[in-house]
Amino acid sequence: DSGVTQTPKHLITATGQRVTLRCSPRSGDLSVYWYQQSLDQGLQFLIQYYNGEERAKGNILERFSAQQFPDLHSELNLSSLELGDSALYFCASSVGGVSYNEQFFGPGTRLTVL
Amino acid sequence: QQQVKQSPQSLIVQKGGISIINCAYENTAFDYFPWYQQFPGKGPALLIAIRPDVSEKKEGRFTISFNKSAKQFSLHIMDSQPGDSATYFCAASSEDSNYQLIWGAGTKLIIKP
Repeated sequence: DSGVTQTPKHLITATGQRVTLRCSPRSGDLSVYWYQQSLDQGLQFLIQYYNGEERAKGNILERFSAQQFPDLHSELNLSSLELGDSALYFCASSVGGVSYNEQFFGPGTRLTVL
Repeated sequence: QQQVKQSPQSLIVQKGGISIINCAYENTAFDYFPWYQQFPGKGPALLIAIRPDVSEKKEGRFTISFNKSAKQFSLHIMDSQPGDSATYFCAASSEDSNYQLIWGAGTKLIIKP
């Protein structure tokens, strides 16, 4: 158990809908990262937050957005969902975004868009 | 220049054999090279990491070999076991990537009993 929690574990929805994925980082971690992993694919970095502020952006679609709240939990919002958005979405956390920190991954949210 | 190229894409090794996964990079500013292990349905977890001031780091049956001049690093798994069957990702980071991990594409390792 990495100490990172993600909810929900599974999500099934229809095209065009909007969903919100939630992540609680390890206690004491200030950085949160979001990744997308399609079936048998690699990890696509989406976005990073550090202590409530956006720190870095990766291949995140305009239909996707995220935020980190004052209690450091983070939410990833996916809208106008398409079939191709079906994937595992991982959240990871680390101590900080300014040094070589191990990223601790949550168990993921499996999103299925029908 | 920010890419990390990982090979092979998949690997089958007999139990007790040596598994070798390779990664290459272009950005000479990279100075942190971790390997993550991911089991099916789980999130990746840090396995072992190296900084470029050493050429090798060993933790149990897992060894990272680092060749700074060739801009390559590799993961060696000695006496591979069926429980090592997983997907392995190499990554790299540096200050000029804002310490973002730049990930390799992953290697699916299967250890045959």
